[in-house]
Amino acid sequence: AQSVTQLGSHVSVSEGALVLLRCNYSSSVPPYLFWYVQYPNQGLQLLLKYTSAATLVKGINGFEAEFKKSETSFHLTKPSAHMSDAAEYFCAVSESKNFGNEKLTFGTGTRLTIIP
Amino acid sequence: DGGITQSPKYLFRKEGQNVTLSCEQNLNHDAMYWYRQDPGQGLRLIYYSQIVNDFQKGDIAEGYSVSREKKESFPLTVTSAQKNPTAFYLCASKTDTDEKLFFGSGTQLSVL
Repeated sequence: AQSVTQLGSHVSVSEGALVLLRCNYSSSVPPYLFWYVQYPNQGLQLLLKYTSAATLVKGINGFEAEFKKSETSFHLTKPSAHMSDAAEYFCAVSESKNFGNEKLTFGTGTRLTIIP
Repeated sequence: DGGITQSPKYLFRKEGQNVTLSCEQNLNHDAMYWYRQDPGQGLRLIYYSQIVNDFQKGDIAEGYSVSREKKESFPLTVTSAQKNPTAFYLCASKTDTDEKLFFGSGTQLSVL
């Protein structure tokens, strides 16, 4: 069965500092991995996705993530934090490309706070 | 503009009452999903539907019911059997050919 672990339910970084949000996954087959962002009282938006192409994936708003099979990780990074990055971030995994009858499993989320 | 509309934004349920959350999409997506979000627990799948007139239980379907009579609409009913309904409910949809989920802005359900 697939699962996702997000290390750190709360992360605080200074404005302009590196953002690193950690995600480790478990999957019995090559996974499809996603990062979603949720701003307060809103739905989720897709930041980026890994679907077995390039291992370094670039997303919106300057975020990127690297798929590391040996470490079963898909950490999200951004070189320089901006105040507008304050939000909750969810890592998710699926074992099928379009997760037809398979579900998309979400992590428990990491709340990112930016310190001025 | 295309998107997913959830209503109402806030909903209050009395003891023993059934309430229905609306989800409408004009993206022409085949698949629709209902998730429940609780603080510190991420998103958990309640029900999903791949096609009109068909739906499947997710991980936490007990106390909930859905219907899919139209492609655009996937309402969720929270029944009186759901003893802990207070949560943020999110509806989502996707096409058959892309992995991206599109989400509505959610409904916050509280118990009076």
